[in-house]
Amino acid sequence: GAVVSQHPSRVICKSGTSVKIECRSLDFQATTMFWYRQFPKQSLMLMATSNEGSKATYEQGVEKDKFLINHASLTLSTLTVTSAHPEDSSFYICSARDLAGVRETQYFGPGTRLLVL
Amino acid sequence: AQSVTQLDSHVSVSEGTPVLLRCNYSSSYSPSLFWYVQHPNKGLQLLLKYTSAATLVKGINGFEAEFKKSETSFHLTKPSAHMSDAAEYFCVVTSNQAGTALIFGKGTTLSVSS
Repeated sequence: GAVVSQHPSRVICKSGTSVKIECRSLDFQATTMFWYRQFPKQSLMLMATSNEGSKATYEQGVEKDKFLINHASLTLSTLTVTSAHPEDSSFYICSARDLAGVRETQYFGPGTRLLVL
Repeated sequence: AQSVTQLDSHVSVSEGTPVLLRCNYSSSYSPSLFWYVQHPNKGLQLLLKYTSAATLVKGINGFEAEFKKSETSFHLTKPSAHMSDAAEYFCVVTSNQAGTALIFGKGTTLSVSS
């Protein structure tokens, strides 16, 4: 089946620094990737939809200047958490839609756990 | 607006007994519905999906779900639980008719005892 990877799997950083998380579709092309955030014991909340070659679409309440998304190719999207603060600590998960597959199906990455000290 | 409600935050069963995880949805159009499973420290895995075909959907690992429009439900079942089924389960609906984004339920933690 389709595989989505994320890197890094875990990151710890100091408050005020920026962190970049990569999301890659390994064996398929994805014009659309999605970024979710999951707090402990809670559900996934969609942050933004990343479209290859165009600007990301952010959900209400998500700061686009805080969470920079770049989707430069059909297999890679990046999420940069700028000037991270402890409240940004969370589990970030990306997903990708297979360009050639059923449109409703998203394949999820394993997630990146961010801890901001 | 689209939404899903998972009626139980935690379900506990004994190994070998049936599993029932309940989900109700709200949709202004014919939705696509999914069940995903999340094991600790692992990515989300698609169990099954309903996309307006057969109302009884069979998924992986012996799970199945039935779409009931009259009850706006999409409950997940399995005849016999296995220890490896212990995980977090999410009921999911597409957020729009284009199916471009997903809305997750709050999740149900399934515990399986021996």
